[in-house]
Amino acid sequence: QVQLVESGGGVVQPGRSLKLSCAASRFTLRSHAMHWVRQAPGKGLEWVAIISYDGNYKFYADSVRGRFTISRDNSENTLYLQMSSLRVEDTAVYFCARDSRYSSGRIDYWGQGTLVTVSS
Amino acid sequence: QSALTQPASVSGSPGQSIAISCTGTSSDVGAYNYVSWFQHHPGKAPKLLIFDVSDRPSGVSDRFSGSKSGNTASLTISGLQAEDEAEYYCISQTSSITWLFGGGTKLTVL
Repeated sequence: QVQLVESGGGVVQPGRSLKLSCAASRFTLRSHAMHWVRQAPGKGLEWVAIISYDGNYKFYADSVRGRFTISRDNSENTLYLQMSSLRVEDTAVYFCARDSRYSSGRIDYWGQGTLVTVSS
Repeated sequence: QSALTQPASVSGSPGQSIAISCTGTSSDVGAYNYVSWFQHHPGKAPKLLIFDVSDRPSGVSDRFSGSKSGNTASLTISGLQAEDEAEYYCISQTSSITWLFGGGTKLTVL
């Protein structure tokens, strides 16, 4: 069974940085575009970023562009989200999710999420 | 980037059919056939119900169907069951090659 396991969440002060990881198993990560999606407490799902299957293309939501960086290491079957200049409003559960090779929105597997809390 | 517009809540009785709309613009829903729908139970990973507007992944019940007209996509659930009670989200690709979720719709099975 395909598995995505996020890690790296925790409590961080505003303005600091945090790096999330998403370990993929039982499928070939390099064959899929990958997303990060978040859900703030009591709120809906919010799309954060996408990276192409080969890592050549990256796109971001306006709310995180310039502060967050999505990356991947296909040899290690791992997806990353480097978050900088964190704000209180970045507090959320962060999910990694698998799309089709050419990112058609066929987002068929999700991790269980990792909680990021930005608070002083 | 404002979220796609979904009704905050819908309800129906077991056996009935309901539809959830997802309204965007000519720069997202209206521009591409890359609209997907997810079912989300609290504390669990979202589940893909529909992709490419109306395609169903294998294993998803045919009680779930999708369609699109202009800038509005719709998810229809027929033969409502108690286990369908959940939050439902649409997502669409945008002309900026980003993605945009709807605000979510809470389905209550009466």
